[in-house]
Amino acid sequence: GEDVEQSLFLSVREGDSSVINCTYTDSSSTYLYWYKQEPGAGLQLLTYIFSNMDMKQDQRLTVLLNKKDKHLSLRIADTQTGDSAIYFCAEKRGDYKLSFGAGTTVTVRA
Amino acid sequence: NAGVTQTPKFQVLKTGQSMTLQCAQDMNHEYMSWYRQDPGMGLRLIHYSVGAGITDQGEVPNGYNVSRSTTEDFPLRLLSAAPSQTSVYFCASSYSASQENQPQHFGDGTRLSIL
Repeated sequence: GEDVEQSLFLSVREGDSSVINCTYTDSSSTYLYWYKQEPGAGLQLLTYIFSNMDMKQDQRLTVLLNKKDKHLSLRIADTQTGDSAIYFCAEKRGDYKLSFGAGTTVTVRA
Repeated sequence: NAGVTQTPKFQVLKTGQSMTLQCAQDMNHEYMSWYRQDPGMGLRLIHYSVGAGITDQGEVPNGYNVSRSTTEDFPLRLLSAAPSQTSVYFCASSYSASQENQPQHFGDGTRLSIL
């Protein structure tokens, strides 16, 4: 999982936008994913993007992919207290495996 | 439909003891996997299975065994527990072995401490 890098912490005010960044190294990755982990729970898939896309929007979530720079970002609009969690970036490697980043802990303050 | 069920939720072992972490899914998923989560390191793949009777190693397989005798169950065995295996273990499954846009469903985790 060390080939996928994320910043460890992000603090954001309620109502503002959050942007979580991720870099990966495998240029042949076909799918990239964002997962959310709430305290004491497993990971929940938030969204994913295919490598031939630049952007994907899903309600409050916007994923941007810069394949040239191997950079992936997740923007959460109108961040709410329920968005406080750890967010993991993951890339699909080979046929079956996912390689995860270390996770970004997002704290939403009132 | 319970999804992915892991048992136990918590366990404390002494060094050298053996133990089996259980994982069961009721979604008829083809693909199952085990990860460990350590602070600052994200999730690392231990072993995975693309179907009953088929298993393979992930990034960190040493000290762990798996088997897949049925589609539903994918137990993880610690042969001789070591303090370095203190971690949170997650089991995950997905409908398709090739994943792609099939999401991985995660269990709630087993928190394991080795003294």
